[in-house]
Amino acid sequence: QSALTQPPSASGSPGQSVTISCTGTSSDVGGYNYVSWYQQHPGKAPKLIIYEVSKRPSGVPDRFSGSKSVYTASLTVSGLQAEDEADYYCSSYAGANNYYLFGTGTKVTVL
Amino acid sequence: QITLKESGPTLVKSTQSLTLTCSFDGFSFRTNGAGVAWIRQPPGGALEWLALIYWDDDKRYSPSLKSRLTITKDTSKNEVVLTMTNMDSVDTATYFCTHHRLVASRPWGFDFWGQGTLVTVSS
Repeated sequence: QSALTQPPSASGSPGQSVTISCTGTSSDVGGYNYVSWYQQHPGKAPKLIIYEVSKRPSGVPDRFSGSKSVYTASLTVSGLQAEDEADYYCSSYAGANNYYLFGTGTKVTVL
Repeated sequence: QITLKESGPTLVKSTQSLTLTCSFDGFSFRTNGAGVAWIRQPPGGALEWLALIYWDDDKRYSPSLKSRLTITKDTSKNEVVLTMTNMDSVDTATYFCTHHRLVASRPWGFDFWGQGTLVTVSS
């Protein structure tokens, strides 16, 4: 049982797009369409922004989008805004034994 | 409006056990599919899923911590209790409880979170 792999950091200028990857295995990301993404500002609890790979909860801007290809899920933030600067974590259902895994986290900086 | 709040000791000694309580409002374990999970985050570190309990008392644990964890619920009180035995300095972390649910047997994400409680393990 290992954490899902994310790049430590990503950055972009206001208005640009940034994409974060989340790599797993056939037992988690590749085996189920139950990948979710969380945004966490310093000192705050994480916030769900994507579930079931690409669905957005009510109230989450459509600037946030998710996708998946084989063993890698991706989160794209379009039209970067200053308030998007935060840590982002992916999570995947991993079957009856492991149940849930989180990613290593990516710090997004808005330049 | 779903809210959750964690409570418990902020400081525990090595080898002792930790008991955390999650008190929640806005949903009930009497509702099919309802669940509560515990997730922790060491200072400056990543999130780690620990345990989850469902409305039907189905319990799931992180394989790496399963021998040390016990999760229970009190439906009448809207509370979930997590116990972790044999605490060590590496268990120093902020512990979050979260709402989770199964919808048509599909696991949704962790959509509502408590504010978290920082637990420090001292030697």
